[in-house]
Amino acid sequence: NAGVTQTPKFQVLKTGQSMTLQCAQDMNHEYMSWYRQDPGMGLRLIHYSVGAGITDQGEVPNGYNVSRSTTEDFPLRLLSAAPSQTSVYFCASSQNRGEKLFFGSGTQLSVL
Amino acid sequence: QQPVQSPQAVILREGEDAVINCSSSKALYSVHWYRQKHGEAPVFLMILLKGGEQKGHEKISASFNEKKQQSSLYLTASQLSYSGTYFCGTLSSGNTGKLIFGQGTTLQVKP
Repeated sequence: NAGVTQTPKFQVLKTGQSMTLQCAQDMNHEYMSWYRQDPGMGLRLIHYSVGAGITDQGEVPNGYNVSRSTTEDFPLRLLSAAPSQTSVYFCASSQNRGEKLFFGSGTQLSVL
Repeated sequence: QQPVQSPQAVILREGEDAVINCSSSKALYSVHWYRQKHGEAPVFLMILLKGGEQKGHEKISASFNEKKQQSSLYLTASQLSYSGTYFCGTLSSGNTGKLIFGQGTTLQVKP
């Protein structure tokens, strides 16, 4: 089982560039979410989805877009990257909302 | 609003006990606990639902006081493998799916 797969593992962007972080799960989970992790800040929720076609904002949604066209995929789009978006990004999924989360291995993003 | 964890950091010797607390200002549906080792993804430990139940995982257990909106994680007879950062996550009443994590508690177990 692959579980939750995130790509890329590392990425360097210039300010103003756009990119998409990919997240896919093969466990048929309904719930998926994106977190960013910064030193001393813990894990902060960016966006989440309780099922295909349904997304909602988390604590820090500004500057990020998501969509959920299939159960398996939940990509995170940075529209115009800023240095403040330098962080480690984790995608996570669970069978249903409120249940045990399975995390991907993370994407380390640097914006110069 | 993020739940508040205390202490921020703990240093233990093998075999010693520790308690990590998690406090929320909102009425809670459930509390999650995860552990993250350096350079790795967080790993699930346990979920506590409102009702004040206490759950266990190896020598790690937790309680949830629904009225006080607090949870505590108990690590007994700590082992070197317990080192890492512990996060509590809270779901507010209604279980919308919005799981919010605290800032984390770093635990270091020394031989």
